[in-house]
Amino acid sequence: KQEVTQIPAALSVPEGENLVLNCSFTDSAIYNLQWFRQDPGKGLTSLLLIQSSQREQTSGRLNASLDKSSGRSTLYIAASQPGDSATYLCAVKETSGSRLTFGEGTQLTVNP
Amino acid sequence: GAVVSQHPSWVICKSGTSVKIECRSLDFQATTMFWYRQFPKQSLMLMATSNEGSKATYEQGVEKDKFLINHASLTLSTLTVTSAHPEDSSFYICSARDMRGLGQPQHFGDGTRLSIL
Repeated sequence: KQEVTQIPAALSVPEGENLVLNCSFTDSAIYNLQWFRQDPGKGLTSLLLIQSSQREQTSGRLNASLDKSSGRSTLYIAASQPGDSATYLCAVKETSGSRLTFGEGTQLTVNP
Repeated sequence: GAVVSQHPSWVICKSGTSVKIECRSLDFQATTMFWYRQFPKQSLMLMATSNEGSKATYEQGVEKDKFLINHASLTLSTLTVTSAHPEDSSFYICSARDMRGLGQPQHFGDGTRLSIL
């Protein structure tokens, strides 16, 4: 059974810092991995999608990497801003099925 | 970008009432939609997977007679919480996958906050 773990569970940083969020998964046979952002009381916003054949994806100040063999992905946020404060979730889609397995999320607070 | 619309965003009702939540894909067709439940400060828990034109597949422990799912078209799925009770109070989120394939990202609605008095 696939398990997804995110570390740290919570992170508080001053504005302007570069930061890394970590995601690990137990079964490396994934189809793709997706990073989401969730604001309080809201649904999920897709940030980046990395297919299993890719190593990284970039969008603006966000960069996500994928090391399938070691079961890890990182989300790098450059020059963090207070507006980046949210919960970040990673989720993997397994090869044999269509469901997403989510991690517990990292709650990020960027202080002005 | 792709948009999933979920309605209503907030429902407060009395115990015993049935509540219907709609999930629509606005600019793409979705053969598969997913319904999740989220408790405070926890991650999403998949309740069921609905496929257009067929019966939904429910996760273990989810009562199919309690949570009725209908996926009547490629752009609409509904979740009906029947005879809702206070323990059904939660945040429900739907998601839709573009029918063009497994490689497409899943898009999520903004969720429905259900409060049963």
